[in-house]
Amino acid sequence: NAGVTQTPKFQVLKTGQSMTLQCAQDMNHEYMSWYRQDPGMGLRLIHYSVGAGITDQGEVPNGYNVSRSTTEDFPLRLLSAAPSQTSVYFCASSYVTNTEAFFGQGTRLTVV
Amino acid sequence: EDQVTQSPEALRLQEGESSSLNCSYTVSGLRGLFWYRQDPGKGPEFLFTLYSAGEEKEKERLKATLTKKESFLHITAPKPEDSATYLCAVQAMTNNAGNMLTFGGGTRLMVKP
Repeated sequence: NAGVTQTPKFQVLKTGQSMTLQCAQDMNHEYMSWYRQDPGMGLRLIHYSVGAGITDQGEVPNGYNVSRSTTEDFPLRLLSAAPSQTSVYFCASSYVTNTEAFFGQGTRLTVV
Repeated sequence: EDQVTQSPEALRLQEGESSSLNCSYTVSGLRGLFWYRQDPGKGPEFLFTLYSAGEEKEKERLKATLTKKESFLHITAPKPEDSATYLCAVQAMTNNAGNMLTFGGGTRLMVKP
């Protein structure tokens, strides 16, 4: 059972480049979300999805897009990378609300 | 606005020296309070969920408790392998953002042999 799988684990981008962070889960969870973790800021919600075809913004959505075409996958797109997007990104999934979220191993992104 | 504050930011213990980590929260109706453990370079790993004041949960050397304003993670006779960052998060009743969690900044625990 792989759980939540994120790729890549590390990425360096130049300012203005775009890329997609991949997230896949094999637990048939309805809820999926993306967080970023910055020193001294804790984990902050970027976007979330309550099921295939349904997405919405979290606390810090600017500069990011998401889509949810299947239950398993929830990619995060950086449209035009900025140094302020240097962070560690975590994807999480859960069966229903009010239950524990399972996190991926994270993607460490550096924008230069 | 939901807020979570964890203290201390860092805690150094000798092996076997018991202590407690604090998580203070303000939330518009608590749906659940979650404790996670995070090792360097890894994603958070679920430990406990607490739903109402007075509730307690235990797992090995860890015990989590909940009041209306705070939660404690008690560590009894810690071992070096308990060294990690412990994260506290809350989910509000009024939160329609799926399973959105509001996290604290974490407590970095170091247990020396």
